[in-house]
Amino acid sequence: SQQGEEDPQALSIQEGENATMNCSYKTSINNLQWYRQNSGRGLVHLILIRSNEREKHSGRLRVTLDTSKKSSSLLITASRAADTASYFCASRGSGYSTLTFGKGTMLLVSP
Amino acid sequence: GAGVSQSPSNKVTEKGKDVELRCDPISGHTALYWYRQSLGQGLEFLIYFQGNSAPDKSGLPSDRFSAERTGGSVSTLTIQRTQQEDSAVYLCASSPGEGDFYGYTFGSGTRLTVV
Repeated sequence: SQQGEEDPQALSIQEGENATMNCSYKTSINNLQWYRQNSGRGLVHLILIRSNEREKHSGRLRVTLDTSKKSSSLLITASRAADTASYFCASRGSGYSTLTFGKGTMLLVSP
Repeated sequence: GAGVSQSPSNKVTEKGKDVELRCDPISGHTALYWYRQSLGQGLEFLIYFQGNSAPDKSGLPSDRFSAERTGGSVSTLTIQRTQQEDSAVYLCASSPGEGDFYGYTFGSGTRLTVV
């Protein structure tokens, strides 16, 4: 299985603090993506990083990828209460056409 | 439409009944995916359609599950003789195509409860 694992399973922080979530995967990948899910419904695509990239930024989001360690991290800076959600990493394995999702990190940002 | 549309949003059915879940992807998106998510779990891949190619059915958990995509657009996921373990949120997603540049756009899902 390619399934990734997020760490931690749950994270609770105060508004204004940074939140860091980690993801590990098992096989070589073409790209890795992060998604956010509110209230257990549809997921929203946040950012995609390709296997030949090491870091990518989008607004308050910073994603890193270390293919030698088969791991990625998502950093949310200056968090807001509206960032409260579950965050999933998803990897597209080499030779595969679909994404494999981890079980997610539940982030709670308190005002 | 502007997004991926799924219907119904909620479905309660009796064990043993058949159900049909519908997904209307973003116009022009050639790739369509079905996943399901059990309570507190990650997403489990079910089936993938890409253009006119044969679908990748490798994630379907049993022969009670089937899906079709008509005219390269709307897709229907059918579950026959539903069981309680089929209770989950069924998520549909679409993307412009296969490749390393595209994320998925998800619908809001259908919450299926088998009683």
